[in-house]
Formats: sequence, C-alpha cells, structure tokens
Amino acid sequence: KAGVTQTPRYLIKTRGQQVTLSCSPISGHRSVSWYQQTPGQGLQFLFEYFSETQRNKGNFPGRFSGRQFSNSRSEMNVSTLELGDSALYLCASSLGGPLAFNEQFFGPGTRLTVL
Amino acid sequence: GENVEQHPSTLSVQEGDSAVIKCTYSDSASNYFPWYKQELGKRPQLIIDIRSNVGEKKDQRIAVTLNKTAKHFSLHITETQPEDSAVYFCAAPSSGGSYIPTFGRGTSLIVHP
Repeated sequence: KAGVTQTPRYLIKTRGQQVTLSCSPISGHRSVSWYQQTPGQGLQFLFEYFSETQRNKGNFPGRFSGRQFSNSRSEMNVSTLELGDSALYLCASSLGGPLAFNEQFFGPGTRLTVL
Repeated sequence: GENVEQHPSTLSVQEGDSAVIKCTYSDSASNYFPWYKQELGKRPQLIIDIRSNVGEKKDQRIAVTLNKTAKHFSLHITETQPEDSAVYFCAAPSSGGSYIPTFGRGTSLIVHP
C-alpha cells in the first residue's frame, strides 16, 4: 500500500498571503488529521476530518481551515499568514471508525516558511 | 483540556543500556496512550500503544507501562542501539468520547556506540 503523501513538501510564502496544503491518505483510510510541529510548541493537533466532515478541532484560530473530499483526500488552508505560522505541517490518516482510535500513519510533512 | 508532561527532554545513554521516558497526563478519562518515534528529518511513526484496560504491553525491546491511578505512562527501551536515537513523543487524548491528541514535548534520545 502506498503511504500518506503530502504536497508540496516545501513552501515559502510572505506575511499576509494564504496557502493550501494537500494530503492524500492511505487507500481505505477515511480519517485525516492535521498537525503543526514547531520547535517551540512541539506537535499540536489542528483538526480531524472523517467522511468529509470535521469531527474534531484543536485550539487554533479560524485562519486555519480544512476540508475533505469524497475520496478522503484533504486540504488545509491557512489565510493571512503570520511569521509564527512557519512550521512543519503533518497530516496523518487512519481507518477512523467513529469514537474509536486506530493507528495513525503520518505523511512526510510540508515545511512552510513565512517571510 | 488535556495536559501532558514528558520527561526528560534529553536522554543520553550508552549502547546496551536501558532508557525510560515518562509522561504524565491530567484527564482521568483518557484511555489510549501511543508513543511515536521521529528520526531526524522523518515523519513520526507509532512504535507502541496501550489502552487503559491493561497495565503493560511489550514488543521485543520496547515496552509501555500505564499507571491510571497516578496518571502516568512510561516507555521502556532495553538493550538500546544507535538506531534507537530519535525524538520520542507520547500522546494522550482528551475526554468526551472523541479523540483529540495532546502530545508531550518530546524526548531526544541519543544512544552512543
């Protein structure tokens, strides 16, 4: 089985711009979660999508949004970029049965740099 | 919400020694505790997990123990090897029937040959 893929792998943006990141889960996985990883804050949960619906949400401002398509692929959008948004953005997929936890498989991440 | 503390932040051992990393959590309803390994420049990978209905789980040189009363769980690596060098993260979910993982800040394990 192919693993979780993320595009692009690297991205450089300037403050005020917006960015869209993409994640393709493992075939058959219906849950996609997004995380932000920074040296200062560590690994933080952004949100989780299951069957095209946001099922769980972390404590991030509304500038961070996402969506999931019928094929389970997911996109994450960050609007009005700030310097502090520079981070590695990881997505993870799992089988995702409701109210149950299955092993999460992480993608390689997208390294976002905001100048 | 959940609060997860992980110690130590850095752990340096000699090859063949054991390594122990501990995490404490605050939400007594938490019921699933995974450990991830992240090598430099790579993605996190699940190495072992434990559910609240058991106290210990082993997988070859890796084990996890859970003390629900004290609200802590630990990762034990025996006979460490240089390829065990990585950052290890623990996680615990929030309560309320859903799963919002809160991660520890990570432990950088260095195994000296």
